[in-house]
Amino acid sequence: GAGVSQSPSNKVTEKGKDVELRCDPISGHTALYWYRQSLGQGLEFLIYFQGNSAPDKSGLPSDRFSAERTGGSVSTLTIQRTQQEDSAVYLCASSPSGGATGELFFGEGSRLTVL
Amino acid sequence: GESVGLHLPTLSVQEGDNSIINCAYSNSASDYFIWYKQESGKGPQFIIDIRSNMDKRQGQRVTVLLNKTVKHLSLQIAATQPGDSAVYFCAETSWGKLQFGAGTQVVVTP
Repeated sequence: GAGVSQSPSNKVTEKGKDVELRCDPISGHTALYWYRQSLGQGLEFLIYFQGNSAPDKSGLPSDRFSAERTGGSVSTLTIQRTQQEDSAVYLCASSPSGGATGELFFGEGSRLTVL
Repeated sequence: GESVGLHLPTLSVQEGDNSIINCAYSNSASDYFIWYKQESGKGPQFIIDIRSNMDKRQGQRVTVLLNKTVKHLSLQIAATQPGDSAVYFCAETSWGKLQFGAGTQVVVTP
């Protein structure tokens, strides 16, 4: 497809389990972003990749959260030992170039529910 | 820390009327602003952007106004349609990342 693809679209897990969320950006886009959106809330920045490196990890809520990007393309967001407060929609976005300007193209998100 | 925020959490608009969505920002270093629209169950979608060296920019049925003096951003939607019902976010870019405000729910009534 031509857009940003995220999987799974829905994930229900038990507290304490690890989860992996995947993002396939638009082909050729060098910048990739992860955001978190709790119910009825705005978007909370998590991490930003330029190529395979992450110049800004400042938004990761705790050391249970990590993300990687390989080959300048697919990114995985991993949450270890999930907690109920991790329940949210995790949105991925990509853009042709990073930096302070430019439109971000968002996927439809992965909805995580921690029981 | 500095943040982007919205004045009204919910805006009810009659179909055909104009909508105005407001946003306050506090980071004077931000030089680029974007409005996004998010429909239920979908990711945010770009509407219009504006750089800090401009005070007005128009798109199709939308206009963004920037008042740097009072650090205020607004989105005007002309002739609001049912398909405009969504949550609208303003965002500012600073130091390479996009910071979003809390969002305004726009409800279009017949």
